Amino acid sequence: ETGVTQTPRHLVMGMTNKKSLKCEQHLGHNAMYWYKQSAKKPLELMFVYNFKEQTENNSVPSRFSPECPNSSHLFLHLHTLQPEDSALYLCASSHQGTGVTTSDSYEQYFGPGTRLTVT
Amino acid sequence: AQSVTQLDSHVSVSEGTPVLLRCNYSSSYSPSLFWYVQHPNKGLQLLLKYTSAATLVKGINGFEAEFKKSETSFHLTKPSAHMSDAAEYFCVVSDGGSQGNLIFGKGTKLSVKP
Repeated sequence: ETGVTQTPRHLVMGMTNKKSLKCEQHLGHNAMYWYKQSAKKPLELMFVYNFKEQTENNSVPSRFSPECPNSSHLFLHLHTLQPEDSALYLCASSHQGTGVTTSDSYEQYFGPGTRLTVT
Repeated sequence: AQSVTQLDSHVSVSEGTPVLLRCNYSSSYSPSLFWYVQHPNKGLQLLLKYTSAATLVKGINGFEAEFKKSETSFHLTKPSAHMSDAAEYFCVVSDGGSQGNLIFGKGTKLSVKP
């Protein structure tokens, strides 16, 4: 399996609940990502963290709140979700440049995902 | 802007026959390209990557892909399909920025018949 773990693997929550997804990477990477994978839609990038700083937020609703306390851990806090938020949420990590000189792209390593169902 | 188009949403082959999964990309510069595989209820696994070195890239599990700039293609092939190859395959391009964010195709589901 990969060096990226996610918990829980499955989560069922009501629209008024608050829950959190956790991701941990053991690969020494400096960048971490949250993706949403819905049926019949391309993988959607949600958030990017580089050296613990959020560098991208792809117009994600505020009911999704990321947290990156260090370069090995990433959380996605969920509250007042909608049924259409049901999906597979994937975490990934990679090496990234500092944004100063490099344009190299480094492959991303994915966790197994959390299957979220909002009722 | 960078983009990828996977030309087939579903490909079905018989075990032991060749596999061809087609991908075209659009990029304003020399891109980094990847193929990922996703087995049911699993995360994505990197099969192979192209980053402007050799145009024929070999990956894991006998897969390979050829970068053809003139055709803007990066098709994935395997000489002989195995039942365990049944999965969804994603063609991916880097967005070219220093962040190296990835842009995913819609995926091709590969079925392998016995």
